[in-house]
Amino acid sequence: SQQGEEDPQALSIQEGENATMNCSYKTSINNLQWYRQNSGRGLVHLILIRSNEREKHSGRLRVTLDTSKKSSSLLITASRAADTASYFCATDGGQETSGSRLTFGEGTQLTVNP
Amino acid sequence: GAVVSQHPSWVICKSGTSVKIECRSLDFQATTMFWYRQFPKQSLMLMATSNEGSKATYEQGVEKDKFLINHASLTLSTLTVTSAHPEDSSFYICSPPGAGVSDTQYFGPGTRLTVL
Repeated sequence: SQQGEEDPQALSIQEGENATMNCSYKTSINNLQWYRQNSGRGLVHLILIRSNEREKHSGRLRVTLDTSKKSSSLLITASRAADTASYFCATDGGQETSGSRLTFGEGTQLTVNP
Repeated sequence: GAVVSQHPSWVICKSGTSVKIECRSLDFQATTMFWYRQFPKQSLMLMATSNEGSKATYEQGVEKDKFLINHASLTLSTLTVTSAHPEDSSFYICSPPGAGVSDTQYFGPGTRLTVL
């Protein structure tokens, strides 16, 4: 299956700084979701943004979506050491049926240094 | 959100043996379950979709005779890795579909398979 691309592949910042991760995808979508995965653990859902939305906030998270460029960004403000994890975007491929299978980006490994 | 459990959480087995992974939906009924695989330091890739009452559908390149999927009931889907080899070592994660086209999809906690 196609995969999106994420950049950067790895990001290392100091606590308190902001972290921005980008995701690009190839097909039309209904929505795009961002997930976090701690090393060796399962996925934690962070935020979902619909194709007709351009920006969404949740706590320290800000997600943007540009469907014309087929790209999205995840901004984590005032980062903490506990934010260290891999972050993945996932798209549903624009399928009209509910509960679509997801295509994941390659992920960004974020390291927040105390 | 949907609660999904997987068992076992990790398993180590010898090459050539078969391993069964269970995925249970705890607070809802699922007629479909997606199975993903994640190799170390890589992203998740969809392997197959189990369907209650019918055959599973497999993604291109996934051997259906090696990865047996059974949707036994509306709350249980299983993945059996047959004649496992070291290259099958991976993190296997199940996920029920979201309730609608704009609904969050949740994931099971995953099963770490190590084949010696």
